[in-house]
Amino acid sequence: AQKVTQAQTEISVVEKEDVTLDCVYETRDTTYYLFWYKQPPSGELVFLIRRNSFDEQNEISGRYSWNFQKSTSSFNFTITASQVVDSAVYFCALIGRAAGNKLTFGGGTRVLVKP
Amino acid sequence: DAGVTQSPTHLIKTRGQQVTLRCSPISGHKSVSWYQQVLGQGPQFIFQYYEKEERGRGNFPDRFSARQFPNYSSELNVNALLLGDSALYLCASSPQVTNTEAFFGQGTRLTVV
Repeated sequence: AQKVTQAQTEISVVEKEDVTLDCVYETRDTTYYLFWYKQPPSGELVFLIRRNSFDEQNEISGRYSWNFQKSTSSFNFTITASQVVDSAVYFCALIGRAAGNKLTFGGGTRVLVKP
Repeated sequence: DAGVTQSPTHLIKTRGQQVTLRCSPISGHKSVSWYQQVLGQGPQFIFQYYEKEERGRGNFPDRFSARQFPNYSSELNVNALLLGDSALYLCASSPQVTNTEAFFGQGTRLTVV
């Protein structure tokens, strides 16, 4: 079985603060993919990043950065210098080969950025 | 290019009724997956179709069914609606069966009263 846990249900920050979202996953697969999606109030899930289990290189893309650590089964996401437009629910997700081709999502973390 | 389109965007049904939700994938994408997202939770996998064949089914009752057409569009049907079926239904399209490049539509918000 595979499982994704996002322990933080809601984070509130003031604009320009950094915010880090935690994600811990469980899978028996040696080959798997991890994702982060953003869900604004409109409802659509917006793809942010994908990482496979063989690529632990951390990545920075603009104000976004990701920290993948297989040793702790974590795939954390940081927004630097947050903006009001970053307010949304963020989901971490996993696809493991043995579980088929379905995305398993965490419960989501709501980020509220106040001006 | 158009993204994943779903229709209708909102729907209100009465308990016991049946509903059909529609999804058009991104051009060239052959895989369509359906997810149910209850308020305050993460999406839960319902079905995957690839090349018109069912390739995966989540833990949902038989009241839920789906199909994929030759043009790769898909319909999700739910019979005998219950109040608990109220949710946002999301469709994802992907070029491959592996779903490692899944793109989502804006969803259909179903309310059962």
